[in-house]
Amino acid sequence: DSGVTQTPKHLITATGQRVTLRCSPRSGDLSVYWYQQSLDQGLQFLIQYYNGEERAKGNILERFSAQQFPDLHSELNLSSLELGDSALYFCASSVGTWGENTIYFGEGSWLTVV
Amino acid sequence: AQKITQTQPGMFVQEKEAVTLDCTYDTSDPSYGLFWYKQPSSGEMIFLIYQGSYDQQNATEGRYSLNFQKARKSANLVISASQLGDSAMYFCAMREVDRGSTLGRLYFGRGTQLTVWP
Repeated sequence: DSGVTQTPKHLITATGQRVTLRCSPRSGDLSVYWYQQSLDQGLQFLIQYYNGEERAKGNILERFSAQQFPDLHSELNLSSLELGDSALYFCASSVGTWGENTIYFGEGSWLTVV
Repeated sequence: AQKITQTQPGMFVQEKEAVTLDCTYDTSDPSYGLFWYKQPSSGEMIFLIYQGSYDQQNATEGRYSLNFQKARKSANLVISASQLGDSAMYFCAMREVDRGSTLGRLYFGRGTQLTVWP
């Protein structure tokens, strides 16, 4: 158990809908990352938050947004869903943003868009 | 350019044997971290081992060791005494320290599917 909690574990929804994925980081970790894993794209970095503020943005679509709340949990909002958004979405956390810290991943949220 | 290259899409090893999974990386930063993760078929991403760019010795964690060759920009994972439960996808990743907006993110390779047979 990495200590990073993601909900829901599985989600099936229709095209055009909106979903929210939730992440609770490990106790004491201030930095949260979101990654998308699909067969064709591999592991893609979406966005990073540190102590409530956005720190880095990767290949995140405009239809997607995220935030980190004062209690450090984070949510990834996916809207106007398309079939191609079907993927495994990971949340990860680490203590800080500097490079030497280990990054621990949650178990992922499997999203299927039908 | 690819930050992390894993050239072996699949590897096979017999139980109790050792196996090396290859990883090369590309960075011009002097300070970085190298990671290996294991992803079983159930999907979770499990941290295995970490090597810092300034670490003098190769990292070891139980049956896992990281063969770090800085000049060659190589960070191969060695699994000793393979077990059936080691069958999984293995990802090499790098984290740069001193880049501005990319500070903290992990760059992943495409992974190597390891199959351990009895």
